[in-house]
This record gives sequence, C-alpha cells and structure tokens, in this order.
Amino acid sequence: EAAVTQSPRNKVAVTGGKVTLSCNQTNNHNNMYWYRQDTGHGLRLIHYSYGAGSTEKGDIPDGYKASRPSQENFSLILELATPSQTSVYFCASGDMGANSDYTFGSGTRLLVI
Amino acid sequence: GNSVTQMQGQVTLSEEEFLFINCTYSTTGYPTLFWYVQYPGEGPQLLLKVTTANNKGSSRGFEATYDKGTTSFHLQKASVQESDSAVYYCVLGEGTGGYKVVFGSGTRLLVSP
Repeated sequence: EAAVTQSPRNKVAVTGGKVTLSCNQTNNHNNMYWYRQDTGHGLRLIHYSYGAGSTEKGDIPDGYKASRPSQENFSLILELATPSQTSVYFCASGDMGANSDYTFGSGTRLLVI
Repeated sequence: GNSVTQMQGQVTLSEEEFLFINCTYSTTGYPTLFWYVQYPGEGPQLLLKVTTANNKGSSRGFEATYDKGTTSFHLQKASVQESDSAVYYCVLGEGTGGYKVVFGSGTRLLVSP
C-alpha cells in the first residue's frame, strides 16, 4: 500500500542542537512537501521539492533546510533548533499535474527545550 | 495571490443533524477545490475534490460543490455521526505558473451523541 512514513513520531531536542526529520514515500510521486501545524496558524509550508536533488523555499523557510536525495526520501533539517520551532511537522507527497491531491504522513511532534 | 477563507472556526452538532461548512476562495486561475479531513493524531487526508465549477463531488456521505460566481465552496452532510468529529480543511489547487495548493485555516467539527 502506497504511503508516506515519517520518523521519528516524537522528538525532544535541546536548544541549539541539530534535528533531522525524515520522510519516505512509496507513492512514486514527484513532489514532496514539509508543513508545520500550530494552533491558530493551521498548516504552513516550509519547503518543498519537485524531484530528487531539488528543494524550494515555501512560505516560512527561515531556520530550516531541506534535502531530497532520492525520489522516495525528503528530510527537514533544523541546524540550530529553537523553542519557537516546537510544533507538529507533516510531510506530504503529490503528483506534478493540476488537480493533484496530497498524501500526508502521520506527523512528527517536536519539542525543543 | 491565491487565498482561501474559512470563517467557521468550530461547528458543534448533535448526531443526525445537518452539516454545512462554507469557504470562499480567491484566484485568477482555474482552480480545483478540495476538502481534507484531519482526525486527532493523524495527518490530513483527502475527503473529496471538485475540478469543475458547479459540479458535485461526493465521498462517505459528504457532498461538495463550488460556485465560481460567488467564489464559494461548501461541504455538507445530511446526517452527521460522532465519528465525523474532526477538523475539515478547504484547499485550493491552482496551476497557473506552477501547481500549488493553499490550505484554509480549518473548521473543527464536534458531534455529540
């Protein structure tokens, strides 16, 4: 069954530390996305990718990097984590064409202390 | 730019009542409109989509149509169940200049038995 799998499900990090969130998809989709979800802000796009080797800035990219080493994998990297990055992070995949819908992972809950 | 507005932050109903959630959108292109649903502890998942104005989409007892004249998109269900309690997102997909989607802020539906 095609799916989007995120790891870890929960993460506690210290301020100033490096955090890597991983995402793997078996949908053979070209596009992948990273969102964060906070109460009062809904879903906000951080970075996205059109394929292996490409990354693009979303609406709130500051403090985050992304890496797409292969069609299946897309990582979100927090080089210097801050408490303001405490949130729930969702990865999604989707096709290239118009009318395409997204498949989301189950999320990673990150707490930066 | 493209935008989506959901004015209803929360809707509270009893089982078997009628559900109506509305959103408005703004775009200069030809949109596809989606409704996603998010259950606690999970990522959003596609509920239904409508690719053509005045056409109807339906899934799991939910129906949606969008009206290009009033730029509105609504979701309805004749008789809700407690298991329908979730957050519902109106989403606009538009392909001019590169395909992107825009999420609304979400409507939390609470259904009491």
